[in-house]
Amino acid sequence: GEDVEQSLFLSVREGDSSVINCTYTDSSSTYLYWYKQEPGAGLQLLTYIFSNMDMKQDQRLTVLLNKKDKHLSLRIADTQTGDSAIYFCAEPDNFNKFYFGSGTKLNVKP
Amino acid sequence: NAGVMQNPRHLVRRRGQEARLRCSPMKGHSHVYWYRQLPEEGLKFMVYLQKENIIDESGMPKERFSAEFPKEGPSILRIQQVVRGDSAAYFCASSPGALSGRANEQFFGPGTRLTVL
Repeated sequence: GEDVEQSLFLSVREGDSSVINCTYTDSSSTYLYWYKQEPGAGLQLLTYIFSNMDMKQDQRLTVLLNKKDKHLSLRIADTQTGDSAIYFCAEPDNFNKFYFGSGTKLNVKP
Repeated sequence: NAGVMQNPRHLVRRRGQEARLRCSPMKGHSHVYWYRQLPEEGLKFMVYLQKENIIDESGMPKERFSAEFPKEGPSILRIQQVVRGDSAAYFCASSPGALSGRANEQFFGPGTRLTVL
């Protein structure tokens, strides 16, 4: 199956930008997704990017996709303490099974 | 439009008992997926169902685990003779299916946290 990898931890100060990185293996995915998980909660869809796009901006969120390197990143501008959570990138295969990274735990210090 | 609903939210079982986890997909969604999240890990696919059909169960353990999505009622993930290693969060997701614009998008429920004593 597909392999999706993320770094485990990221710590930033409030107001700074956060960049969470992800690498994946399956280049045929039509969409790539970012989900947010707060403690004890389910997954909340944050944003997604269509595979023929390089960049997508949605308010404070910017997604960059480098298909050649199979690299996806999520940038959060002006990071707030409420952004502290675990962030997962996800890649579906052709049969709609989602493959998740292990998650990046974002800690925002006041 | 209510989101994906799962119950119970927390379930405690002793080793050897059975666990039944329920998932009601979003209204209009006919595709259901179950995922398991072990502590400090990402979600791992278990099974994909449509009404009355198991489409892909490649992520299900070969023994003790089963899933169904009947014509009426919620999808059920059943774990027989639970062991401590089954302790995890089990998430259900639903999607509208191939005719929607973004066919792959999955909406997740809040999860059921299973603890096996």
